[in-house]
Amino acid sequence: GDSVTQMEGPVTLSEEAFLTINCTYTATGYPSLFWYVQYPGEGLQLLLKATKADDKGSNKGFEATYRKETTSFHLEKGSVQVSDSAVYFCALSLSGTYKYIFGTGTRLKVLA
Amino acid sequence: GAVVSQHPSWVICKSGTSVKIECRSLDFQATTMFWYRQFPKQSLMLMATSNEGSKATYEQGVEKDKFLINHASLTLSTLTVTSAHPEDSSFYICSARDHGGRSYNEQFFGPGTRLTVL
Repeated sequence: GDSVTQMEGPVTLSEEAFLTINCTYTATGYPSLFWYVQYPGEGLQLLLKATKADDKGSNKGFEATYRKETTSFHLEKGSVQVSDSAVYFCALSLSGTYKYIFGTGTRLKVLA
Repeated sequence: GAVVSQHPSWVICKSGTSVKIECRSLDFQATTMFWYRQFPKQSLMLMATSNEGSKATYEQGVEKDKFLINHASLTLSTLTVTSAHPEDSSFYICSARDHGGRSYNEQFFGPGTRLTVL
């Protein structure tokens, strides 16, 4: 069945370090892919998205490229800040049903 | 644009009572809204898909008589937890799909409602 697999956290980094959070997916058809961020006690905020193969989503220094050949959508940021500490969710949206399938989430902690 | 609100943001109730949570799309019409449940430090679990003017579609294992969903207008869906028990305590998040099609495959999320049942 359709699924999203994320690397397990927590991920702890020092400020200005490079961030990679891996995400791979299994899906029939051509899903759209998303990264959401959740701060403590809050709902989800869209971080970036990609709707077709080779698309690159980017926002606030974060980037992810839709790789159909490796079925991946890894999240990267060149220099993290303390304010980036949050939980990051990778998700795919199935065409037709518009349902989302979420990964388990990766908690990121950035130390000053 | 594409703002979704939820009310209340948190609620505490006694066991056996019912609680209603509202989800509103503030600046767009949403024919489809989704209700999720999130346990501490876990991912979101889709509970049901709410379609305006018709019955909600519940995911396997979700009790439709316990979690009543009403989507009476293009901007409002409600989730009522009936006869709540402590195990229903959770963070409930709704999302909405933009009927106008700005981002047809994208859901816009509300800020969530934390329910605590004593």
